[in-house]
Amino acid sequence: EDQVTQSPEALRLQEGESSSLNCSYTVSGLRGLFWYRQDPGKGPEFLFTLYSAGEEKEKERLKATLTKKESFLHITAPKPEDSATYLCAVPSPPGANNLFFGTGTRLTVIP
Amino acid sequence: NAGVTQTPKFQVLKTGQSMTLQCAQDMNHEYMSWYRQDPGMGLRLIHYSVGAGITDQGEVPNGYNVSRSTTEDFPLRLLSAAPSQTSVYFCASSRDRTNEKLFFGSGTQLSVL
Repeated sequence: EDQVTQSPEALRLQEGESSSLNCSYTVSGLRGLFWYRQDPGKGPEFLFTLYSAGEEKEKERLKATLTKKESFLHITAPKPEDSATYLCAVPSPPGANNLFFGTGTRLTVIP
Repeated sequence: NAGVTQTPKFQVLKTGQSMTLQCAQDMNHEYMSWYRQDPGMGLRLIHYSVGAGITDQGEVPNGYNVSRSTTEDFPLRLLSAAPSQTSVYFCASSRDRTNEKLFFGSGTQLSVL
């Protein structure tokens, strides 16, 4: 059975304190891993798609990486506006646009 | 472009009542879907559509109906609301079923008493 596990559940950082969020997956025939950001009271917003081990993508202070078993979302020198819940997801079944989501990491960046 | 628009934003129902959650997109997207989000659980797919006239079930379809008569609209119907359907519902769309970038609406918070 496809599984996506995110850790930690919650993370509090001081402004400027870099860290990483983890998304581990057990999916047969991975066809991409997706990262979304969700602000309170809003729908998820697309951040990245990664397709193969070793791939990296960056956007401002965020960098996503992928290995054969997990993905990391690195946050460098975060700012309070980076506070949000970060979700990872995989297609289920593989190749479809239907996504299987993890439960997310709630990030709080303290000024 | 408004993107994906969901109405209402909040709704309270009594057990057994029926209602329709509305979803419309103005991006001419072929693919649309409905998810529910519950505390401690990931977003779970309810139903999806790959084009007008085509719908299919997702992970948790029981108690919900959908139809897709136009490209723009994808309403979700609760036939006889139950407390277990208390949740936040999100509609999403993408260009087609092979394009991974989903655009989400802002959600409908539903409480069933």
